[in-house]
Amino acid sequence: DAKTTQPNSMESNEEEPVHLPCNHSTISGTDYIHWYRQLPSQGPEYVIHGLTSNVNNRMASLAIAEDRKSSTLILHRATLRDAAVYYCIPHPIYNQGGKLIFGQGTELSVKP
Amino acid sequence: NAGVTQTPKFQVLKTGQSMTLQCAQDMNHNSMYWYRQDPGMGLRLIYYSASEGTTDKGEVPNGYNVSRLNKREFSLRLESAAPSQTSVYFCASSPPPGQYFGPGTRLTVT
Repeated sequence: DAKTTQPNSMESNEEEPVHLPCNHSTISGTDYIHWYRQLPSQGPEYVIHGLTSNVNNRMASLAIAEDRKSSTLILHRATLRDAAVYYCIPHPIYNQGGKLIFGQGTELSVKP
Repeated sequence: NAGVTQTPKFQVLKTGQSMTLQCAQDMNHNSMYWYRQDPGMGLRLIYYSASEGTTDKGEVPNGYNVSRLNKREFSLRLESAAPSQTSVYFCASSPPPGQYFGPGTRLTVT
């Protein structure tokens, strides 16, 4: 299983962009990079995933380094509701329904 | 769709008592999972079920049993609760790309 390194915590101001980094230097060539977030007192929520190309959806954007050893989750305009713990999780392509391995994640706080 | 539902939301047990945590999903997903989350930690997989009729151990299965009753329901049983099982328990279901999580059950064992 690939190991990930994320900052323990980050701060942002409301309505400003946020860039959440993740280092996954031991990632396998068959792993997607998944991002989940967990709001206070709730279960985790899927945010986005990608393999090699940058990805966008209604929640966020995912920028993946060319060597795939790191990625960045981008929230374009942070809101108070985005305050959560964000997890970066490499996950095998062939086992898309399999277990997720959660690390410590990054706790994002958003200031009004 | 209700998504993934879990009952109960909160539970306090005495050491040695047994209980079953219930999970149901209405999204017709094949795979279901049970995770636990201890304070300040990420989630750890207890058991999972890739499809109806199959179950497999995850990272921390000791002290737990599971039943995949049908495609919708996946229950987690603590036969003899211990204080080390005090945690928040999350059920999830998939297919991909994401896993969909329930709201959790907060269990305290005294």
